[in-house]
This record gives sequence, C-alpha cells and structure tokens, in this order.
Amino acid sequence: AQTVTQSQPEMSVQEAETVTLSCTYDTSESNYYLFWYKQPPSRQMILVIRQEAYKQQNATENRFSVNFQKAAKSFSLKISDSQLGDTAMYFCAFMKHTNAGKSTFGDGTTLTVKP
Amino acid sequence: DTAVSQTPKYLVTQMGNDKSIKCEQNLGHDTMYWYKQDSKKFLKIMFSYNNKELIINETVPNRFSPKSPDKAHLNLHINSLELGDSAVYFCASSRAGTSGGGEQFFGPGTRLTVL
Repeated sequence: AQTVTQSQPEMSVQEAETVTLSCTYDTSESNYYLFWYKQPPSRQMILVIRQEAYKQQNATENRFSVNFQKAAKSFSLKISDSQLGDTAMYFCAFMKHTNAGKSTFGDGTTLTVKP
Repeated sequence: DTAVSQTPKYLVTQMGNDKSIKCEQNLGHDTMYWYKQDSKKFLKIMFSYNNKELIINETVPNRFSPKSPDKAHLNLHINSLELGDSAVYFCASSRAGTSGGGEQFFGPGTRLTVL
C-alpha cells in the first residue's frame, strides 16, 4: 500500500516570501502521479499542481513549482511570492498510473501567509 | 456552472437517524468518489464508482451505502447515524482511469453534525 507523509503540520510565511512544503511517499510502483491540492478556509479542494513520475522535468504553475526527487521519493511544493490568498491547507496526494483514480492523501500542511 | 455539486452543504441531525447526501457532476466524468474529512482535516477515501459500478470500497461501516443512479450522480446514504460520523464529506469526480491525468474535481463538501 502507498503512504504519503507530510511532516510539517503547520507553516507560516511572510507575504511575498518563498516557502517550501515537504512531502515524501512510499511506493514500489514506477509509474504514478503526484499532486498538490489546496484547501482554503472555504474548504473547496482545488488542484494546485500535478507531476507525472515518468517526467524528469519538475512541474511549474505560475508561482507554484515542485521539486520531484523520484529516487528519494520526495515531492516538495515551492510557493514563490506568497500571497494572502495562499493561506490554506495543502495536501500532497499519490495515485498509481494503473489505478482507477484512487488517490492516497497526506495528512496536510496548514500554511498561513502573514501580511 | 458548478462542476461538482453537493446537497445539502450543512446537515445537523440526531443520533440514530438516517440521512442522505446527494452529489452531481456535469463534467462528463466516468468516475466519482466519496471522501470523509474528519475534525483533524485528515482526508480518507470511502468509495469510488466507475460508470455506476463500485470499484473502491474502503473499510467503511455497512451503515454507509453509496448509490449511483447514473454516472453523473453518486449519493451517499447513512443509516443509524453515530456521533463519530460527524465530519465533512466530499464528493469528487475524475475521468476514467488516468486519461484525465488523475486530477479529481471536488464538490464543496457537506458538513455533517450528529448530536
């Protein structure tokens, strides 16, 4: 079974600064997807970024980028130029490439962006 | 237009009652899910349906019964509600298998409070 670990229950960052959220996972699969989802106080879950394991290039979406280290089974999320609207809970998730969409989620990291 | 909708958004009820939560998606997705998010914000998958067929059934009490009348709807019925059922329940959908890159689209959640 896959496990996803987010070792930072809470983090804070000053507005406009950069912050990195950590995620590690355990799997014997070679093909899979990794995701970061954001859950703001409104509780709506939104996909932030996705990485396909067979792609070596790190995914980037505007101010959000990942550092994907396949051998180390690490998938961290970097948020640059943090904005107040980035305040949310962030979930790291894993999905096997051959699975029917079943994702395993980490326990989440609560990020607070301070003005 | 709302992609994944759930009704109701809030549900307060007494122990022992039976209640249902409805979910609809207008994205044309084949796969739908129910997740439970507890008070610590941990997110756990409960069920997954693909084209109206149950494909994932995690360790969930028999009091929980999902029903999919068509692939756009996945309802959750809960019998004999218990205090421990209090949580936020999320419905989600995705394209079948990994054709959509695995991304799941979440509903706004239903906060269930059992008194």
